[in-house]
Parts: sequence; structure tokens; C-alpha cells
Amino acid sequence: GDSVTQMEGPVTLSEEAFLTINCTYTATGYPSLFWYVQYPGEGLQLLLKATKADDKGSNKGFEATYRKETTSFHLEKGSVQVSDSAVYFCALTTINAGGTSYGKLTFGQGTILTVHP
Amino acid sequence: DADVTQTPRNRITKTGKRIMLECSQTKGHDRMYWYRQDPGLGLRLIYYSFDVKDINKGEISDGYSVSRQAQAKFSLSLESAIPNQTALYFCATSDLWETQYFGPGTRLLVL
Repeated sequence: GDSVTQMEGPVTLSEEAFLTINCTYTATGYPSLFWYVQYPGEGLQLLLKATKADDKGSNKGFEATYRKETTSFHLEKGSVQVSDSAVYFCALTTINAGGTSYGKLTFGQGTILTVHP
Repeated sequence: DADVTQTPRNRITKTGKRIMLECSQTKGHDRMYWYRQDPGLGLRLIYYSFDVKDINKGEISDGYSVSRQAQAKFSLSLESAIPNQTALYFCATSDLWETQYFGPGTRLLVL
């Protein structure tokens, strides 16, 4: 079956530090990959996504590149802010032959990020 | 207004009680989902529905049931609550092309 493995947390950084959160996956089909973010007391929201190999998703200064050869989708940001403190989830869904999603997301366990001033 | 709403936001109940969590969405999507979140385990899928007449079990459906009352409404029931169902529950909706939109969550405590 499909699975997603994220680096263990929590991760604690100082403001303006470089962030990497590792994510690797196994998938039986051809997956699309996502990073979701959960701010304190809120639901998950999509941060970025990539739908095919070598695609780079980006949003709010965050980036992740779909690496099929290493089955990875690592999240990076060059300079984190206190407002980036949240839980980050890597996830995948597989796509059918018609190009639409089977719908089910498989999540990693989440990585708690805390950024100090 | 939020695209996906959940009620209640917090609930405390006792072992053996039946409870219902409700979800409504205004995005017009056919697909809806229920997840539970436990610390260190990410989100796990309980049930999902691709339209009003199509309901499917997820990876952890035991002890839960669902009802899809309309395209916009998807309810989760715990028939007889037990303490290990204490968790944060999320409803989500999606279109055919992957991105899921989540509600704010319901925090459930079973005593």
C-alpha cells in the first residue's frame, strides 16, 4: 500500500534560519504529492503540491521538488519566520488513467515546527 | 464564511454514548471525507464519499458510521463511544483533481 514517512520532529529554529523537512514515500500507482500546514487551533490547508516528476511546488517562500528517483518531496524554506510555526504534513494521492484523483490522501505523521524570534 | 464547517467544535461525552459530528461544505464538491488525527500518527481516513449514493470505508472505520444527507452534508457517528476514540476529527471535501479542503476540526473527549 501507499505510505509517507516524514522526518521526526519537533524542529526548533531561530528566525531567518534555513528549513528542511524530509519526506519520502512509497506508492503503488503514480502519485501526486502535497504539503499541508496546520496552524495552531486550525484545520489543515494546502501549502503546495506537485503532480509529476521534477515538478517544483512553491508557495509563501516554501518549495518542494518531486523526485521520482529518490521517491522524495522535501520541504524547504530559505528564511523562516515566527509565523511559520505550525505542523507540516506530507501527503500523497494516486491518479487514475483518466487523470483524476482516486481521492484518498495518505499522510505522514506530521512535523512540528517552532520558530523562535 | 468558511468553506467547510464542523459542529460541534468541542465535545465531551461518556463511554457508551452515541454521538454525531456534522460537516457542511459550500464548495459544491461531490467528494467528502472524515479523518481522525492522533498525536504522532498524522491523519487517518475513517470514511469517504464520492457522491450522495457512494460511501466507502477508510482504513479505520470500525466503531464509526456515516450518513451523506446531501451533496453538502456528511455526518460521522460514534455508535457507542469508547475512550480510545478520543481524538481530533476533521472533515474535508475535494473536487476530482486532488486538493482537499479541511474544516476546523472537532475535538472529542470520551471519558
